Amino acid sequence: GALVYQYPRRTICKSGTSMRMECQAVGFQATSVAWYRQSPQKTFELIALSTVNSAIKYEQNFTQEKFPISHPNLSFSSMTVLNAYLEDRGLYLCGARDWGQDTQYFGPGTRLLVL
Amino acid sequence: GDSVTQTEGLVTLTEGLPVMLNCTYQSTYSPFLFWYVQHLNEAPKLLLKSFTDNKRPEHQGFHATLHKSSSSFHLQKSSAQLSDSALYYCALSAGAKLTFGGGTRLTVRP
Repeated sequence: GALVYQYPRRTICKSGTSMRMECQAVGFQATSVAWYRQSPQKTFELIALSTVNSAIKYEQNFTQEKFPISHPNLSFSSMTVLNAYLEDRGLYLCGARDWGQDTQYFGPGTRLLVL
Repeated sequence: GDSVTQTEGLVTLTEGLPVMLNCTYQSTYSPFLFWYVQHLNEAPKLLLKSFTDNKRPEHQGFHATLHKSSSSFHLQKSSAQLSDSALYYCALSAGAKLTFGGGTRLTVRP
């Protein structure tokens, strides 16, 4: 079956430091990977969409300078939160799209706490 | 742009009663519609997905029918169970991007 793994599941970082999170698709080829943030009391905010053979597209209020993303192949993506502050807290979800099924599968998320 | 509107906030039901969570959407294209369910401290899981041939998807007793005329994809279940208590998100996909509704928290009481 189609599975998406994310690592780490939970992380704590000091304010102003950076942390990197990873996403891996297993059992299918992820032709696109979307990174979302679910903040407390909020729905999902799309951070950026990375599609194979296309430039990574960031949504308004999110920038490459703050959330650089790497998507080197069809099964792996990583995103870094640079200079994390309190407002960056939340659950970061990776959604990998199986184009053949036209379905997006989510990983379990990386929960970021900032002290 | 694309948008999804769901039954807002909290829905509380007694076990055994029918469930209906509303979802309407706006899209320039003919999108796929999805329902995701998120239990406490877990990531969202795919519950249902619309079909292109208008078949009604069903899973775990839930079903939803895509009505293009009214741009709706309401989630229904004939009899609520305690284990159905969770956050439910309606989402649409008109390309590689998913657009989510605001989420509806369903609480089922004994």
